[in-house]
Amino acid sequence: GDSVTQMEGPVTLSEEAFLTINCTYTATGYPSLFWYVQYPGEGLQLLLKATKADDKGSNKGFEATYRKETTSFHLEKGSVQVSDSAVYFCARDSGGSNYKLTFGKGTLLTVNP
Amino acid sequence: KAGVTQTPRYLIKTRGQQVTLSCSPISGHRSVSWYQQTPGQGLQFLFEYFSETQRNKGNFPGRFSGRQFSNSRSEMNVSTLELGDSALYLCASSRVSGGAGSYNEQFFGPGTRLTVL
Repeated sequence: GDSVTQMEGPVTLSEEAFLTINCTYTATGYPSLFWYVQYPGEGLQLLLKATKADDKGSNKGFEATYRKETTSFHLEKGSVQVSDSAVYFCARDSGGSNYKLTFGKGTLLTVNP
Repeated sequence: KAGVTQTPRYLIKTRGQQVTLSCSPISGHRSVSWYQQTPGQGLQFLFEYFSETQRNKGNFPGRFSGRQFSNSRSEMNVSTLELGDSALYLCASSRVSGGAGSYNEQFFGPGTRLTVL
């Protein structure tokens, strides 16, 4: 079945450091891929998405590229800020029917000043 | 434009009781999905409704049920509560019906934090 595996962390970085959070997915169907972010006490917010192979999603300095050959969708940011501290979730949809999302376990990121 | 709203935000129940959670989607959104979030299992899909019909269901026991009303508002019910049902229950809405080749962003509410004692 569908599954998503991401590094669980926690990840602790200093401000302006480079961030990578690894994510891989099962290669069933033709899924769209997503990164969601969850701030304390809040629901999930869509950070970025990619709907087909080789697409690059980007938002707020974060980027991720849909790599079909390695079934990966790693999240990167060149220079993190304290305000980026949150839990990040990688997710895929079901492919043909995209109303069911399968999430990774989440990665807690803490950025220190 | 108002976001997805969920009520109540916090709930405390005891084992054996039942509970009903409510979700109001963004205006114009017709699809509503429910997810359970726990520290151990992470985020798990419960079910999805569109036009008052359940289209997809996750691997949860029959104690978990839901429904959707004609105005797209949705409720989920958990009967005979167990300690393991303590979780954050998230509702998400999206605009259209989906289907092959389409993409519809899911907008999440803040969740209902259920504690079972």
